[in-house]
Amino acid sequence: TQLLEQSPQFLSIQEGENLTVYCNSSSVFSSLQWYRQEPGEGPVLLVTVVTGGEVKKLKRLTFQFGDARKDSSLHITAAQPGDTGLYLCAGEDKASGTYKYIFGTGTRLKVLA
Amino acid sequence: DAGITQSPRHKVTETGTPVTLRCHQTENHRYMYWYRQDPGHGLRLIHYSYGVKDTDKGEVSDGYSVSRSKTEDFLLTLESATSSQTSVYFCATTGTGGDEQYFGPGTRLTVT
Repeated sequence: TQLLEQSPQFLSIQEGENLTVYCNSSSVFSSLQWYRQEPGEGPVLLVTVVTGGEVKKLKRLTFQFGDARKDSSLHITAAQPGDTGLYLCAGEDKASGTYKYIFGTGTRLKVLA
Repeated sequence: DAGITQSPRHKVTETGTPVTLRCHQTENHRYMYWYRQDPGHGLRLIHYSYGVKDTDKGEVSDGYSVSRSKTEDFLLTLESATSSQTSVYFCATTGTGGDEQYFGPGTRLTVT
């Protein structure tokens, strides 16, 4: 069974601080996605990484896919209250033969003004 | 935005009653999914569909069944609801490219 573990589970920081969220697995994924979810809503895609070692930037958010495609990280620079939410990573389960995804347990981020 | 709606948005039901949740999409996406979200567990796949009348089980399928008679609709049925099925249920779709999942707004189900 493929598992994705995220750390930390909870993070409360002050506005302006930097943070990193990790998504780790013992399995190889063909692609990995990061989502953000706000209360009462469904997750919304932030980025998809496909190539081992790939780095993608989305304003103050930097996403990296591990060389072996087993792990990923999300780094936020100068966090703002608007970054508050639940961050989820999801790996594509290619072995299933269809587009099936395994989700991590999530990191709940709170940025205090 | 893949135009995904879920109904109902909230439901309270009693143990032992049947419940059907509906997901409707307007983007003609081939793949549709039902997840449940519980604290500490993230999103867990219940069932998914890769085409009309083509469905398969996910990791937490016990007690749930699904049907997809049209591309745009994916129904999730709890044959006899139990308190352990109290959760928030999300429907999602993926197009043929498979690079992104689009999620509906969720249904909060409480089984008393």
